[in-house]
Amino acid sequence: DAGVTQSPTHLIKTRGQQVTLRCSPKSGHDTVSWYQQALGQGPQFIFQYYEEEERQRGNFPDRFSGHQFPNYSSELNVNALLLGDSALYLCASTKTEGGSPLHFGNGTRLTVT
Amino acid sequence: GQSLEQPSEVTAVEGAIVQINCTYQTSGFYGLSWYQQHDGGAPTFLSYNALDGLEETGRFSSFLSRSDSYGYLLLQELQMKDSASYFCAPQRPSGNTGKLIFGQGTTLQVKP
Repeated sequence: DAGVTQSPTHLIKTRGQQVTLRCSPKSGHDTVSWYQQALGQGPQFIFQYYEEEERQRGNFPDRFSGHQFPNYSSELNVNALLLGDSALYLCASTKTEGGSPLHFGNGTRLTVT
Repeated sequence: GQSLEQPSEVTAVEGAIVQINCTYQTSGFYGLSWYQQHDGGAPTFLSYNALDGLEETGRFSSFLSRSDSYGYLLLQELQMKDSASYFCAPQRPSGNTGKLIFGQGTTLQVKP
């Protein structure tokens, strides 16, 4: 049973560019959340997708957007990249019902130069 | 809003017992989750307390007092591989929206 998978594992972009990160949730999970983790900090909630809609959003600008597909996989898009967007981007999945814990992927390390 | 407090760093020796405390403030009723994260790795779920009391899972135990908005993670018989960051996160006990609020976490260093 595959867990949460993310691609790519590493990415280097230039300021002003756009990036798309991808996530496949753990089998049986229907909710996908995205987190940003800066070095030495805890993960910060970006947004959550359920039934192909954004349900909750953290304190992130509109440059951060996402999508969930019918197979529950998800994408995170970041436009107009800033140096401060350099971080580890984590995808987490869960089942909406039942209070199951979040399962995280290994993340995508984004470096903006 | 929500706030979390954990010690930033804890150091202990192999074989010892260490307790990582967590105090939190939330606007509703929450249980408490604990996650472990090794350098460069994904946060991994350790335990969840929905009710007051102690939950034991092998060498790890977690405690919650909802009235005090306080919990702790107890690690026994420490091993070198326990060196990692540990995060507490308040979590709704019924249904998971996928949103957790993490603090800065506690870095545990286990020494020989």
